[in-house]
Amino acid sequence: EPEVTQTPSHQVTQMGQEVILRCVPISNHLYFYWYRQILGQKVEFLVSFYNNEISEKSEIFDDQFSVERPDGSNFTLKIRSTKLEDSAMYFCASNQLWTGELFFGEGSRLTVL
Amino acid sequence: GESVGLHLPTLSVQEGDNSIINCAYSNSASDYFIWYKQESGKGPQFIIDIRSNMDKRQGQRVTVLLNKTVKHLSLQIAATQPGDSAVYFCAEIFAGGTSYGKLTFGQGTILTVHP
Repeated sequence: EPEVTQTPSHQVTQMGQEVILRCVPISNHLYFYWYRQILGQKVEFLVSFYNNEISEKSEIFDDQFSVERPDGSNFTLKIRSTKLEDSAMYFCASNQLWTGELFFGEGSRLTVL
Repeated sequence: GESVGLHLPTLSVQEGDNSIINCAYSNSASDYFIWYKQESGKGPQFIIDIRSNMDKRQGQRVTVLLNKTVKHLSLQIAATQPGDSAVYFCAEIFAGGTSYGKLTFGQGTILTVHP
């Protein structure tokens, strides 16, 4: 069964460093998303991406964040200068249709020291 | 402000029992609701959805009920199995939103099924 894959599964970084989280969405999906989940808290929407551009973003997704689809398969989230409060599990998701049924990856845990 | 929340943070049941997980929402403009399941170490997994023009929808062993009058959503799991143990999230999408992928998740209920 096709699945969304994410790398790395865990990344530890120093505050102020740049981080890139990578995702390979399901191949025939058209809509791509990043969510995050701080330990013990809700899953929070960050950004949605369609047709090579951001379609919506949350207030969390400030200038330190960016997304890119550099080729036909990868979808990346970059955090330019990480802060302690960026420590969280970051989930990539995708779907084919314009519905609420998203297919999530297993997440990338980011720890900022 | 708008929020999606859960009445009970934990639910413990015996295998074979029926489980009911509840969710309250505050924005009456929300028109689409979804339940997700998150097993330990995994991402959320879609279970079932319901639109605001319905009050009940059934899937395999699961039923979602929507009561718009009191802004309440519930997920019923029949004959709960140990494999159902997970965190369950409700999520909503606000009417007029530009993205059906912009889900607002609730806080989650931990379901533990004892054999």
